[in-house]
Amino acid sequence: SQKIEQNSEALNIQEGKTATLTCNYTNYSPAYLQWYRQDPGRGPVFLLLIRENEKEKRKERLKVTFDTTLKQSLFHITASQPADSATYLCALVDGGFKTIFGAGTRLFVKA
Amino acid sequence: KAGVTQTPRYLIKTRGQQVTLSCSPISGHRSVSWYQQTPGQGLQFLFEYFSETQRNKGNFPGRFSGRQFSNSRSEMNVSTLELGDSALYLCASSSDRVSGANVLTFGAGSRLTVL
Repeated sequence: SQKIEQNSEALNIQEGKTATLTCNYTNYSPAYLQWYRQDPGRGPVFLLLIRENEKEKRKERLKVTFDTTLKQSLFHITASQPADSATYLCALVDGGFKTIFGAGTRLFVKA
Repeated sequence: KAGVTQTPRYLIKTRGQQVTLSCSPISGHRSVSWYQQTPGQGLQFLFEYFSETQRNKGNFPGRFSGRQFSNSRSEMNVSTLELGDSALYLCASSSDRVSGANVLTFGAGSRLTVL
């Protein structure tokens, strides 16, 4: 069956450290993979998109990798700050315009 | 540029009733997607509309339906409400320019409580 799996347990890290979140998928062949941020009670906000032929993508303190052989994407936040505390969702498009999301990983950055 | 607008933001219904939620996409976006979000199931895809046609559908019962108007505004309806329908219903729009990329802009959601 098709699955998108993210760390179900919350990730707790100290301010200034690098947070690394994992997204694994099964039985999909996405041309793109996306990452979103969601704060409590609000809709997700798009952060980054990476194409299947890109190994790595960066935006300010964010870095995403995409390994189509491992069927995995890693999302890194460097020099993390308490304001980075949120739920991070990975997503891929299944056949056109149907975007499927993982369950998300909650990140807590402690000052 | 106005974002995605969803109304109402909060509503309380009782079992057996029906509810209609509204979504106004970003101007120029013609694709509108709907999601149900619950703590246990995460974001579940309901359906996607483009040019007034349902183009994609998730695995929800027929009680969940939607439509899109010529101005791209969309509504979703849930009939015969059940307790398990209590959730945050999110609408998202996209510019539909690149198949496969489909970057979504979400609204703030409609929080439905079924008693």
